Amino acid sequence: GAGVSQSPSNKVTEKGKDVELRCDPISGHTALYWYRQRLGQGLEFLIYFQGNSAPDKSGLPSDRFSAERTGESVSTLTIQRTQQEDSAVYLCASSPDYGYTFGSGTRLTVV
Amino acid sequence: GESVGLHLPTLSVQEGDNSIINCAYSNSASDYFIWYKQESGKGPQFIIDIRSNMDKRQGQRVTVLLNKTVKHLSLQIAATQPGDSAVYFCAENLGLLKGSGGGADGLTFGKGTHLIIQP
Repeated sequence: GAGVSQSPSNKVTEKGKDVELRCDPISGHTALYWYRQRLGQGLEFLIYFQGNSAPDKSGLPSDRFSAERTGESVSTLTIQRTQQEDSAVYLCASSPDYGYTFGSGTRLTVV
Repeated sequence: GESVGLHLPTLSVQEGDNSIINCAYSNSASDYFIWYKQESGKGPQFIIDIRSNMDKRQGQRVTVLLNKTVKHLSLQIAATQPGDSAVYFCAENLGLLKGSGGGADGLTFGKGTHLIIQP
């Protein structure tokens, strides 16, 4: 596609369940980023991929969070044993070098 | 991640007026800066960027000014329109011009400013 695609666009899950969020970057973009945005707040960096490797995982808030990328393309962000504080919009961005393009995000609500 | 308050700074301007949104960045070694616009319910949208070897760059109705001496970035929007209402974020990137492939740390975002256009 022409842009960064994220799915699902909305996810409601029960506390304690695991969720998987998917990001399809723009074809050919080698860098991929995940950010979290809580309601009314700024963007919080989670993890960065260069190709399929993640040189910077420093933003992942706990060991319940993990991410992977395959084929230098699709990335999944997995949150295990979700907590209410995980409720936020999770944004993915991709970049060929500079000029990041963001997806529309996945709104996660943990009830 | 950075801890920010629930309430973003707000700037209210009359339709047709010019607006200036300011941002202070943290790392004197940052070499690439971007302004993003985020409308309600949407992801951030690229507006304009500037490299550290420039101090001004103009786009359509927007101008970005960079003052490296005081680590200050501003976004000027001319003749504001209702569609300009959004949250505006500045972002800095370290290492772009040093060939680190887009910045190993990703972008560091400012806290955002909510621009409201009054009719």
